[in-house]
Amino acid sequence: NAGVTQTPKFQVLKTGQSMTLQCAQDMNHEYMSWYRQDPGMGLRLIHYSVGAGITDQGEVPNGYNVSRSTTEDFPLRLLSAAPSQTSVYFCASSSPGGVNTEAFFGQGTRLTVV
Amino acid sequence: DAKTTQPPSMDCAEGRAANLPCNHSTISGNEYVYWYRQIHSQGPQYIIHGLKNNETNEMASLIITEDRKSSTLILPHATLRDTAVYYCIVRVEGAAGNKLTFGGGTRVLVKP
Repeated sequence: NAGVTQTPKFQVLKTGQSMTLQCAQDMNHEYMSWYRQDPGMGLRLIHYSVGAGITDQGEVPNGYNVSRSTTEDFPLRLLSAAPSQTSVYFCASSSPGGVNTEAFFGQGTRLTVV
Repeated sequence: DAKTTQPPSMDCAEGRAANLPCNHSTISGNEYVYWYRQIHSQGPQYIIHGLKNNETNEMASLIITEDRKSSTLILPHATLRDTAVYYCIVRVEGAAGNKLTFGGGTRVLVKP
């Protein structure tokens, strides 16, 4: 089982560049989320989705866009990268009900904006 | 979601039980207590969750007080690989995996 797969694992961007962080899950989970984690801090929610075609903003959405065209994929787009977006990004997926409702996380994408 | 309070850090001797407290005095009747841990900047990993009864799985035990205002995660025989940041999160089960609010957690250092 692959679980939650994030690509790339590492990325360096120049200020003003755009890019897409990829997230895919193979567990048929309806819920997917993106978090960022700054050094020494807990994770903060950027955007989330409760199903294909449905997305909403989290705690820190500015500078990021998301879409959810399929159940499996939930890409995160940085529109114009800024040094303040240097962080580790985690994608998570979960099921809304049933026996197992815990979140499964990817291994993260470490992004540096110079 | 109810706010949680955890000590920022604690040490534990290898082979001993580690008892991690969490205060959630404003928890609602339909909110569960979830525990996750994050090992060395990896993605967080689910450990256990419960509503009001004590729970045990292969990783840990969860003890929730009768008034549900606090809980304790117990790692029965801590190993060096249990060194991690442990997060206590309160969430309604139907949305449990989504929109998680991570506080500062407890940084646990297991020492030989």
